[in-house]
Amino acid sequence: DGGITQSPKYLFRKEGQNVTLSCEQNLNHDAMYWYRQDPGQGLRLIYYSQIVNDFQKGDIAEGYSVSREKKESFPLTVTSAQKNPTAFYLCASSRDRGLQPQHFGDGTRLSIL
Amino acid sequence: AQKITQTQPGMFVQEKEAVTLDCTYDTSDPSYGLFWYKQPSSGEMIFLIYQGSYDQQNATEGRYSLNFQKARKSANLVISASQLGDSAMYFCAMREGSGDKIIFGKGTRLHILP
Repeated sequence: DGGITQSPKYLFRKEGQNVTLSCEQNLNHDAMYWYRQDPGQGLRLIYYSQIVNDFQKGDIAEGYSVSREKKESFPLTVTSAQKNPTAFYLCASSRDRGLQPQHFGDGTRLSIL
Repeated sequence: AQKITQTQPGMFVQEKEAVTLDCTYDTSDPSYGLFWYKQPSSGEMIFLIYQGSYDQQNATEGRYSLNFQKARKSANLVISASQLGDSAMYFCAMREGSGDKIIFGKGTRLHILP
């Protein structure tokens, strides 16, 4: 079955440490997205990419970095510059053309030790 | 200004009753798509239904239907015959034809009571 795989499901970070969240899709989608969700809140866009080797900042990109070296993969790095990283992170993908819905992974819950 | 507004932070509904979740949107783009997602407590986002701005009929998917009132910029989700498993967070979202990302509302938490 095609889908989006996020790993790990739970992640713990020490102060001053960078961590990388994985997102892989086998849907052959062009566009991929990273969202942050805080408890009881909606989704806020961190970064998105419409094509390999290209990506754009979303609404809350500070303290995060991404890469898009392969169509299937869009890893998100939460850097030590992100002072409040505890949140639920969701990765999504969609066909870039047309008004297509996004398909989501199961999310990664990041906590600070 | 918010582009997607969901005015109901939480709702309690008796099982088997119909539910309407409100969503209003704001765009000047004539081409856009409207989406509803369900997020259970486990966290995954489940795509429910889609309505295009040029669609003549309201979208339906099983027990889900979208009450699309274009002039009022309203796209309410209707769930018929609610079930306990419908308890979740529901998000309305929009993608503009000229844009390259989907904009989400803040969500409505639905509780179905036995």
